[in-house]
Amino acid sequence: DTGVSQNPRHKITKRGQNVTFRCDPISEHNRLYWYRQTLGQGPEFLTYFQNEAQLEKSRLLSDRFSAERPKGSFSTLEIQRTEQGDSAMYLCASSPRDRVTDTQYFGPGTRLTVL
Amino acid sequence: KQEVTQIPAALSVPEGENLVLNCSFTDSAIYNLQWFRQDPGKGLTSLLLIQSSQREQTSGRLNASLDKSSGRSTLYIAASQPGDSATYLCAVLTGANSKLTFGKGITLSVRP
Repeated sequence: DTGVSQNPRHKITKRGQNVTFRCDPISEHNRLYWYRQTLGQGPEFLTYFQNEAQLEKSRLLSDRFSAERPKGSFSTLEIQRTEQGDSAMYLCASSPRDRVTDTQYFGPGTRLTVL
Repeated sequence: KQEVTQIPAALSVPEGENLVLNCSFTDSAIYNLQWFRQDPGKGLTSLLLIQSSQREQTSGRLNASLDKSSGRSTLYIAASQPGDSATYLCAVLTGANSKLTFGKGITLSVRP
């Protein structure tokens, strides 16, 4: 069990470009979450997957954002036509299947800078 | 809508001091409450998790309490050390999809 991994760790892009981040959850964790954290703020919920099904999306997730978890394992978060306001740390977390109260295990995050 | 508040935003103490970090939340219908540590530019490390039916949890020099009815939690750090310097985030787990709602965090600096 190697923990939640995220790639890339850092991404610098120009405004208007598309970016994609990847999250690999802990093996056999069927719940996967994406959060976004801006400077000086706590993380905010973006979206949630149970297996391959995306069950909830925050209003923060505009139509430029799309997330997938095609085989119920890794997940990708794509941002199209990036804006400077998208600059943030994007955090992924996973939790086991059995109990809704299980803790969420966080990855190291992907820091996005939009120039 | 659940809101989590952590005050103050920053705290500076001399090494060796015992300290208390406060967290409040508006909706008592939570599954659990977690305290996380975040070092600059890094991800989150879970410190303590208190289930809604519990009153407190302890791990080493850390002790977290939960008063669900009043919507409050405290994180007690005994004999603080410079290595404790970090941002401490409080989060509550709510809703059918078990999402976390975070406070903005308290940035702690422990002076040698």
